[in-house]
Amino acid sequence: GAVVSQHPSRVICKSGTSVKIECRSLDFQATTMFWYRQFPKQSLMLMATSNEGSKATYEQGVEKDKFLINHASLTLSTLTVTSAHPEDSSFYICSARDIGGVETQYFGPGTRLLVL
Amino acid sequence: GIQVEQSPPDLILQEGANSTLRCNFSDSVNNLQWFHQNPWGQLINLFYIPSGTKQNGRLSATTVATERYSLLYISSSQTTDSGVYFCAVEAQGGSEKLVFGKGTKLTVNP
Repeated sequence: GAVVSQHPSRVICKSGTSVKIECRSLDFQATTMFWYRQFPKQSLMLMATSNEGSKATYEQGVEKDKFLINHASLTLSTLTVTSAHPEDSSFYICSARDIGGVETQYFGPGTRLLVL
Repeated sequence: GIQVEQSPPDLILQEGANSTLRCNFSDSVNNLQWFHQNPWGQLINLFYIPSGTKQNGRLSATTVATERYSLLYISSSQTTDSGVYFCAVEAQGGSEKLVFGKGTKLTVNP
C-alpha cells in the first residue's frame, strides 16, 4: 500500500515552454502533498505544500508564478513549470501524506526535467 | 527553522561489514523518517521513527528524542545497500513539512 506515482518520469523540453508534472496517490487519499526539488548530488529542498481545494504554500525563494501548483482532488496534485529555462533542469519529487494514517510521507519516483 | 545534520557524509564498506549512520536535529520533532535513495532516484521509506527503536531485517533504527538524535544501523551490508541515506524531520508545531539532512552516501564494495 501507500503508493505515489509521478508522470512523466522524464521530460526534455525547449526553453520557453511549459511542462506539467502529475503526482497521484494511488491507494490512499491525501489532503496535503509536497513538491521537492533535488539538484545532482544534493539533498531534497521543499518547494511548496499543496493543499486540496486551496492555494499552495510556497517556500521562501520559490516563484509561485513560475511553479504553478494545483491540487484538484484528494489523489492528484500537479506542478507546472512555466516558461522553463535551462536552470530549471532538475529532479522534481512529490510526496503525500495518508489522510487516514500516521504522519509518514510517501514519495513518488520523481521526474527528471531537462530544459534545452 | 529546524536544522538536520547527518554523518558521515560518505562511507565506504566491504560487503558483510556493519555500519552506523547518525542524524542530529536541533529541535523537538513530530516526525522523523529514514530513507534510502536508490540509483534511479526513488526514495524508499525505511523507518518512521520519531522515538524509540525499530528493526526491519538487517536494518534497525533508534531515535532518542530527548537528546535529538537518531541512528540507523545496517548489519551485514550488501552491495544493494549502496546509495544515499537521508534523514528527514518535521518540527513540532510545524506544518507537516519535512526538512532533509544532506544525506550519507554509502558505497558497499564486493
